[in-house]
Amino acid sequence: AQSVTQLDSHVSVSEGTPVLLRCNYSSSYSPSLFWYVQHPNKGLQLLLKYTSAATLVKGINGFEAEFKKSETSFHLTKPSAHMSDAAEYFCVVRVFGNEKLTFGTGTRLTIIP
Amino acid sequence: GAVVSQHPSWVICKSGTSVKIECRSLDFQATTMFWYRQFPKQSLMLMATSNEGSKATYEQGVEKDKFLINHASLTLSTLTVTSAHPEDSSFYICSANPGRSSYEQYFGPGTRLTVT
Repeated sequence: AQSVTQLDSHVSVSEGTPVLLRCNYSSSYSPSLFWYVQHPNKGLQLLLKYTSAATLVKGINGFEAEFKKSETSFHLTKPSAHMSDAAEYFCVVRVFGNEKLTFGTGTRLTIIP
Repeated sequence: GAVVSQHPSWVICKSGTSVKIECRSLDFQATTMFWYRQFPKQSLMLMATSNEGSKATYEQGVEKDKFLINHASLTLSTLTVTSAHPEDSSFYICSANPGRSSYEQYFGPGTRLTVT
């Protein structure tokens, strides 16, 4: 079985400072990993995905994540936070050959003006 | 491309009534659609997986007689909450898989159900 653990339920950063949202995964097989963002009362938007290609994945809106197999981590980063980044972020895992997605519990990102 | 819509976006119904939520893939054919439930400030929980033309596969703990899923075509899946109760109030989100090898899922905007 696969799972993801988002280590922080809430992260606050000042506008213009770096963002780090942490995610660790557990999977018996080669996983695909995703980060989704959800703005209040909105659907989920895919930020980026890792599917066994390059370990450093660049996504939309300046976000990127690095797949580290030795650490079983897939942390999401952004060099400079913007007010519009305030939202809920979900780390998601999918095992190869299985369509089901397993969601982490989410991290609420707050941007301080 | 790869747009998924849901209708309605929000609905209020009385306890004991049934409500139907539609999920449509607008620009692709979806071999598989998924239904999720999200409680306030919580993560998404997969309720069921539906494949066109066959019965849905429900996750453990989800009442199949209460949450009826029909996947009548490659672009439409419906979730009917039967005999709704206040505890069914939630945000329901669908996603669709176009069937490519990436298994990528495209999510709808969600439907907020409030049962009074």
